[in-house]
Amino acid sequence: DGGITQSPKYLFRKEGQNVTLSCEQNLNHDAMYWYRQDPGQGLRLIYYSQIVNDFQKGDIAEGYSVSREKKESFPLTVTSAQKNPTAFYLCASSPRTGGLSGANVLTFGAGSRLTVL
Amino acid sequence: QQQVKQSPQSLIVQKGGISIINCAYENTAFDYFPWYQQFPGKGPALLIAIRPDVSEKKEGRFTISFNKSAKQFSLHIMDSQPGDSATYFCAASRGGFQKLVFGTGTRLLVSP
Repeated sequence: DGGITQSPKYLFRKEGQNVTLSCEQNLNHDAMYWYRQDPGQGLRLIYYSQIVNDFQKGDIAEGYSVSREKKESFPLTVTSAQKNPTAFYLCASSPRTGGLSGANVLTFGAGSRLTVL
Repeated sequence: QQQVKQSPQSLIVQKGGISIINCAYENTAFDYFPWYQQFPGKGPALLIAIRPDVSEKKEGRFTISFNKSAKQFSLHIMDSQPGDSATYFCAASRGGFQKLVFGTGTRLLVSP
């Protein structure tokens, strides 16, 4: 089955530690995204990547870093600089990086819940 | 403005009733308006989407109504079922690269 795999599903971290969340897709999608979900705040874009070896900051990139060395992989590192990292993190992908509006449908993974102790 | 404002935050509907969720936007350049459905512990999934050249789109029990002049769009769930209980997000984007702007979500509970 094609889809997006996020791991781990649950992660606990001590303050001051960096953690990396994995996101792998086998949909052959060009674009990949990381969103953060907090209660009452919807989905906020952290980083996105349109092609391999290129990525852009989203609305809340501070304290996060990403890499895109392979088309199918887009890991997110939550650094110790992120002041409030406890959240549900969602990775998504889409088949196109532009063109007509409506052409890009996001496919989401099942998410990773990070808790800082 | 990039915001999409969604209401209500939560909604309880009896089985068989109509669920209505509303969204409003400011950016007139938005030209794609999807709704995503998210079940607990899962990622959101596209439910239905509309473009501003039509005022309504229906897929089964789900209908999007779009009012371009008022810059508002809404999701109607007819004959709501307990299996519809989920969080619903509206979103919007404009031409070119599809950077979706999401609403804050509505948690729907359909009581048996």
